[in-house]
Amino acid sequence: GAVVSQHPSWVICKSGTSVKIECRSLDFQATTMFWYRQFPKQSLMLMATSNEGSKATYEQGVEKDKFLINHASLTLSTLTVTSAHPEDSSFYICSARGQGTEQETQYFGPGTRLLVL
Amino acid sequence: DQQVKQNSPSLSVQEGRISILNCDYTNSMFDYFLWYKKYPAEGPTFLISISSIKDKNEDGRFTVFLNKSAKHLSLHIVPSQPGDSAVYFCAARAAGTYKYIFGTGTRLKVLA
Repeated sequence: GAVVSQHPSWVICKSGTSVKIECRSLDFQATTMFWYRQFPKQSLMLMATSNEGSKATYEQGVEKDKFLINHASLTLSTLTVTSAHPEDSSFYICSARGQGTEQETQYFGPGTRLLVL
Repeated sequence: DQQVKQNSPSLSVQEGRISILNCDYTNSMFDYFLWYKKYPAEGPTFLISISSIKDKNEDGRFTVFLNKSAKHLSLHIVPSQPGDSAVYFCAARAAGTYKYIFGTGTRLKVLA
């Protein structure tokens, strides 16, 4: 149980375009979803926290107009990187916690590697 | 300001021996700690956790020890297996929040 999927697993896009990444909880209802970013050989940095049906809470230094987060249902959250630039290239990982899972634990998706040319 | 630190970027251990991964934290408000295992290009997989009211939690080959006075926790893996080779992250959560702060990770290599 507690499976989280992400789509796509990797994406290459041109500078200036927007990219949408989906995060789904497959076998539980995710009341809270989290979006992280990981640079090579670095830690996972929390970007934002989203609760179903409400606006996301962004961490300091993360541009909310750049990284649009929508958590429209209890099983789906999306991260849209708008007007992507090469410095946005990174590994983006979502996690979820919620009903039917160990409440203290976040369950992570497999990640999405974004390369902006 | 790195609130959760894993000072050893890498560790090599012989198969069958014990692996000890260490993690230090600075924030006394952290009340819940977790260890995750991560393979390249994959998301982290939850391993084991411990609440600040305990000093030890064991699950099979994995044991986590918490020393609150030293603000230190460690993950023991015994016996170590080649399949344990991965990057291990410790994470801490402040009381009243669901936000995790991750350490920088330790790459474990178990030699056959």
